[in-house]
Amino acid sequence: DAEITQSPRHKITETGRQVTLACHQTWNHNNMFWYRQDLGHGLRLIHYSYGVQDTNKGEVSDGYSVSRSNTEDLPLTLESAASSQTSVYFCASGNSNQPQHFGDGTRLSIL
Amino acid sequence: GQQLNQSPQSMFIQEGEDVSMNCTSSSIFNTWLWYKQDPGEGPVLLIALYKAGELTSNGRLTAQFGITRKDSFLNISASIPSDVGIYFCAGQLSNGNKLVFGAGTILRVKS
Repeated sequence: DAEITQSPRHKITETGRQVTLACHQTWNHNNMFWYRQDLGHGLRLIHYSYGVQDTNKGEVSDGYSVSRSNTEDLPLTLESAASSQTSVYFCASGNSNQPQHFGDGTRLSIL
Repeated sequence: GQQLNQSPQSMFIQEGEDVSMNCTSSSIFNTWLWYKQDPGEGPVLLIALYKAGELTSNGRLTAQFGITRKDSFLNISASIPSDVGIYFCAGQLSNGNKLVFGAGTILRVKS
């Protein structure tokens, strides 16, 4: 069965470190998305991609970057982790015929 | 940016009762989606609505796409304990399948 997998599921790191969260989908979807979920804010879009080599900023993109070198993967990088980036991160994929499917999330704590 | 107003924020109901929640927006969407999120997991798609006025059911769940394309509601009939979770509405814009999410409705069920 097709799926979308995020790793790691949990991570603790220190401020200033670079962190990369992985997202891998086997749906063969063109579109991939990264969100963060915080109490009181729901799901907020960080970055998204509509295909290989395409990346776009979402509403809360500062301090984050993504790259899309193939269809299956959209890693999210925090260049210099800040405590304000402590959150639960969700990756999703979809295309013009299919609504977004979500991974199970990565809980990131920055101390 | 676009915002969705989702209400109520939370509900605490008796098992067997019906539940109703809704989303409104100042923007027009061409697709409305309803997701459910269980603790520690990612959102899972419940119902997708593609046409204004469309009424769609999925078991005990019924959702409608408002005729103005600016609102949607979700009803759950005869609630059971496993209905507990957070329900999100999402509107999809015409360009790509980027979504705008409501803040969520937390549902608790007393058995």
